[in-house]
Amino acid sequence: SQTIHQWPATLVQPVGSPLSLECTVEGTSNPNLYWYRQAAGRGLQLLFYSVGIGQISSEVPQNLSASRPQDRQFILSSKKLLLSDSGFYLCAWRNSGGADTQYFGPGTRLTVL
Amino acid sequence: KQEVTQIPAALSVPEGENLVLNCSFTDSAIYNLQWFRQDPGKGLTSLLLIQSSQREQTSGRLNASLDKSSGRSTLYIAASQPGDSATYLCAVGGWMDSSYKLIFGSGTRLLVRP
Repeated sequence: SQTIHQWPATLVQPVGSPLSLECTVEGTSNPNLYWYRQAAGRGLQLLFYSVGIGQISSEVPQNLSASRPQDRQFILSSKKLLLSDSGFYLCAWRNSGGADTQYFGPGTRLTVL
Repeated sequence: KQEVTQIPAALSVPEGENLVLNCSFTDSAIYNLQWFRQDPGKGLTSLLLIQSSQREQTSGRLNASLDKSSGRSTLYIAASQPGDSATYLCAVGGWMDSSYKLIFGSGTRLLVRP
C-alpha cells in the first residue's frame, strides 16, 4: 500500500532563516506530487506541483521554491523566511496514470516568529 | 478562474441529525469534484470523488451529489455522530496547463454535539 510522509511535523523558525520541508511517498512510482499551504481559517492554496524528477511548476509568486531530486521525494525550501510564510504545509500525491484521488500527508505546522 | 465557495463556514448540530453541506463553483467545466475531511492539525482524508459524468456517490452514511450545470455539490451526512466533527473541504478537479489540479473551498467546520 502507498504511504506518504512529511517531516518535520512542527517547526518554529525566526524571520530570515532558511527552510527545508521534506515529503516522501512509498509504494508507488512516478507519482504527481503537490505542495499546498493552508493559512488559518482558509482553504488550501496550491504552491507547487511536479509531474517528474526535476520538473517543478509554481502556481503563485512567492518566497518559496520546490525541488524533486528523486522520483518519490519532494522538497519545499526557502532561503529567508517571512512572517507570511507561517501556515500548515501539506504534501499530496496522485497516480499519474490512474485514479484522480489525491492522497495527503500529515502536514507540517510552520510558525515564523 | 475557478472559485469554490462553501456554505456555511461553521455548523453545530445535535447528534442524530441529518445535515447538508454545500459547495458551489464558478466554472462548470470540471473534471471531477472531491470531498475531504480534515481533523484539527491533521492532513486531509478523501471521502468521496464524483466524476463529471456522475450525479452522485455514496459511502456509508455519506452521499455527495453533483450538478455541473448549476455549479453545485452537496454532501449529505445521515444520522450524524460526534465522531463526524471535523472540517469538510470541497475541491474541484480540472486540467490546467496540461496538469491535473484541485481548487479548494475554505471548508465547513462541523461540530456534532452529543
